[in-house]
This record gives sequence, structure tokens and C-alpha cells, in this order.
Amino acid sequence: AQSVTQLDSQVPVFEEAPVELRCNYSSSVSVYLFWYVQYPNQGLQLLLKYLSGSTLVKGINGFEAEFNKSQTSFHLRKPSVHISDTAEYFCAVSGPGGYNKLIFGAGTRLAVHP
Amino acid sequence: GAVVSQHPSWVICKSGTSVKIECRSLDFQATTMFWYRQFPKQSLMLMATSNEGSKATYEQGVEKDKFLINHASLTLSTLTVTSAHPEDSSFYICSARDPQRGGSSTDTQYFGPGTRLTVL
Repeated sequence: AQSVTQLDSQVPVFEEAPVELRCNYSSSVSVYLFWYVQYPNQGLQLLLKYLSGSTLVKGINGFEAEFNKSQTSFHLRKPSVHISDTAEYFCAVSGPGGYNKLIFGAGTRLAVHP
Repeated sequence: GAVVSQHPSWVICKSGTSVKIECRSLDFQATTMFWYRQFPKQSLMLMATSNEGSKATYEQGVEKDKFLINHASLTLSTLTVTSAHPEDSSFYICSARDPQRGGSSTDTQYFGPGTRLTVL
């Protein structure tokens, strides 16, 4: 079985500061990893994904994440955040081979303060 | 590309009535769609996988007679909450995969904007 742990339920940060949102997963098979962002009362928007290849993945809005197989982690980073980055961020994992279910973490609330 | 819409975006209904929520893939054909439920300040919980032309696959603990799913075409899946009660109030989100994108991109799910259901 697969599972996802987001270690921080809330992350407060000042504008223009760097941020890291942590995500660890467990799986007995190789995985695909995703980060989604959810703004209030909206659906989820894909930030980035790791399917294979380079372990450093760049996404939209200046975010990037690094897949670390030995530490089973997929932490999300941004060097300088903006007020508009305030949102809920979800890490998710699925198995390979297509049409597998997405398992979501509990989410991390990023609050950017001026 | 890969846009998913939901209708309505919000709905308020009386207890005991049924509510239908539509999920559409606007620019691609989706043989598989997914329905999620999200409680306030919580994560998404998969309710069921909707397959075009066949019965939906429900997750453990989800009442299939309560949450009716119909995947009538390659671009439309509907979720009907039957005899809704206040505890069914939630945010319902659908997603779909785009099989034409090819390769491992088929594993990426694209999400609709969600439907807020409030049962009085």
C-alpha cells in the first residue's frame, strides 16, 4: 500500500523568503509523485510532477521539487514566495502503469505574510 | 488543454432531495474520471472511479446507492447524491486523465473546480 505524509500542516513565512514544504511517501513499488495547489473554494491545479528521469523537477509559478529515492521524499521549494502563493498544497503519489489511484497527503497550508 | 469543468459550482438543497453534479472534460476524451470528497481543512478522499460504459468502482466505505455515478459519454460523468442529508454537505471534486497525451502523461489527473454542496 502507498501512503503520503506531509510533515507540516501549516507553514507561515514572510514575503520574499524561501520556503520548503515537506513530503514523504511510502511504497513497495516505484511511484509517480505530484504536487498540487488549491486556492480557496477552487479545485486543484498541478504544480509539478515526477514520473521518471531527472530528480529535480521544475514546475509552474517558480516552484521546484526534488525526488529523493533513498529518503523517500519529494519536498517542494520556492526561493522567494509572494503573497499570492498563499494556498493549500497537496503532495500525492500514484503507482506506475496508468490508471492508478492518486493518494493524497493531508495538505500543508502555506501562509505568506507581508 | 486538459480542462475539466464542473456544474454547478455550488448548490444548496433541502434534506431528502437528490442533487446531480456534472463533470465534463472540455478538450479531451476521458475514459476514466474520478470523484473526490473534501471536508473543510482536510485532504481529498477518493470516492469512486468512473469508467465510461461500465459501472463505477467505489472505494471502501462509500455507499454506492447513496452516491450514484454515471459515465454516460467520453466527456461526461455525473455524481448524484440521493436523499441528501446535512452530513453529505461537502466539497466534491472530479478529475480526469487524458489518455491521448500518451506515455506516462496519462498518469496525470486534471481536476475540476469543485462543487460546494450544502444540505439544509
